[in-house]
Amino acid sequence: EILMTQSPVTLSVSPGERATLSCRASQSVGTNLAWYQQKPGQAPRLLIYGTFTRATGIPARFSGSGSGTEFTLTISSLQSEDFAVYYCQQYNAWPLTFGGGTTVEIK
Amino acid sequence: VQLMESGGGVVQPGRSLRLSCAASGFTFNTYAMYWVRQAPGKGLEWVAVISYDGSIKKYAGSVEGRFTISRDNSKNTVFLQMNSLRGDDTAVYYCARDQREYSYGYSHSFWGQGTLVTVSS
Repeated sequence: EILMTQSPVTLSVSPGERATLSCRASQSVGTNLAWYQQKPGQAPRLLIYGTFTRATGIPARFSGSGSGTEFTLTISSLQSEDFAVYYCQQYNAWPLTFGGGTTVEIK
Repeated sequence: VQLMESGGGVVQPGRSLRLSCAASGFTFNTYAMYWVRQAPGKGLEWVAVISYDGSIKKYAGSVEGRFTISRDNSKNTVFLQMNSLRGDDTAVYYCARDQREYSYGYSHSFWGQGTLVTVSS
């Protein structure tokens, strides 16, 4: 099973600032990596798939990068609606696995 | 696209429960479907996947042999039969749709709102 490790666990950021979230895989997943956003009481929402590609309707301030075992989600200028929990997921091998999440909170 | 889960509730350990997920707004029989769960205050855990035609099913190790995923393409519905339930199965169960048609094992592009399953005596 591929272990996905996200860091930091909590990220405190001021509105308008840049946020950088990391995700590390225990073995290579190529670029088969997705990012999801989840707000309290809501279902997860797909942000990024294939490491780089924004899902339909996702603003350009969200971007993904990386390959192999190291991945990054960058939010270029945090808006109030971006404060949430973010999960990475690998879909390179079964079982599909998620990271433990990063909470982006208001500083 | 809409996914609507149902069937959750409180169940005693060792008992069974069947979840349903009714889909609309897309061509259901061309997409793989997933169940993903989230224990209270915890992260996401993939549970099971079924291919668009039902011929391929895969399970997380934690539910293998106890849970069964199935689908009825005539009713645009996917199911999760959960047997021998345990306390650590307590979670919100989400159904989700695959990103791509005629394939499986990719990202999950749409999610339902989830249904809560509580296993407790």
